[in-house]
Amino acid sequence: NAGVTQTPKFQVLKTGQSMTLQCAQDMNHNSMYWYRQDPGMGLRLIYYSASEGTTDKGEVPNGYNVSRLNKREFSLRLESAAPSQTSVYFCASQGGGRNVYTFGSGTRLTVV
Amino acid sequence: QKEVEQNSGPLSVPEGAIASLNCTYSDRGSQSFFWYRQYSGKSPELIMFIYSNGDKEDGRFTAQLNKASQYVSLLIRDSQPSDSATYLCAVKAGTPLVFGKGTRLSVIA
Repeated sequence: NAGVTQTPKFQVLKTGQSMTLQCAQDMNHNSMYWYRQDPGMGLRLIYYSASEGTTDKGEVPNGYNVSRLNKREFSLRLESAAPSQTSVYFCASQGGGRNVYTFGSGTRLTVV
Repeated sequence: QKEVEQNSGPLSVPEGAIASLNCTYSDRGSQSFFWYRQYSGKSPELIMFIYSNGDKEDGRFTAQLNKASQYVSLLIRDSQPSDSATYLCAVKAGTPLVFGKGTRLSVIA
């Protein structure tokens, strides 16, 4: 019963480095989402994929790219990390006729 | 811009009391409403969802929806220290869900 799996759980990057956050779900959900969460800011949507082969920008897409590799996997890439991207990143999936989101355990990213 | 508003708190209640968490939303076309609980350092988890006007009860939790007033609330009866967390309201009006910033609840033993 894995649900939504995110890797890595923790990461420290230097300014300008790149990295990819991985997300995979085993619930056969069509839709997947990437959020960031900062103190006092709530969950802010970065990108989402309503179905395999489609991606759309959310509220805060600048500095990020995404790839919906297949139905199971949705990755988030930081091409040139900045300290403003220090945050907790959550991946979520949704499907099965209900609008319930299932969240992964999160990635804590620090950019120094 | 679709908005979901919550009081950030903290809301402090004594153990055994009723905690009342409130949420308002801007889009009258909103169709479904969700409450998520998030413990510190953890990911959000669904507590309840409600689609129709009125009340929906699940154990100690009751969700209340008033579409005319664009208002949804969560009542927690017999509050326990383990209920101390941030509660996120989410509203569906199209894709994706719109989340409020959350209300931090503290239950004092």
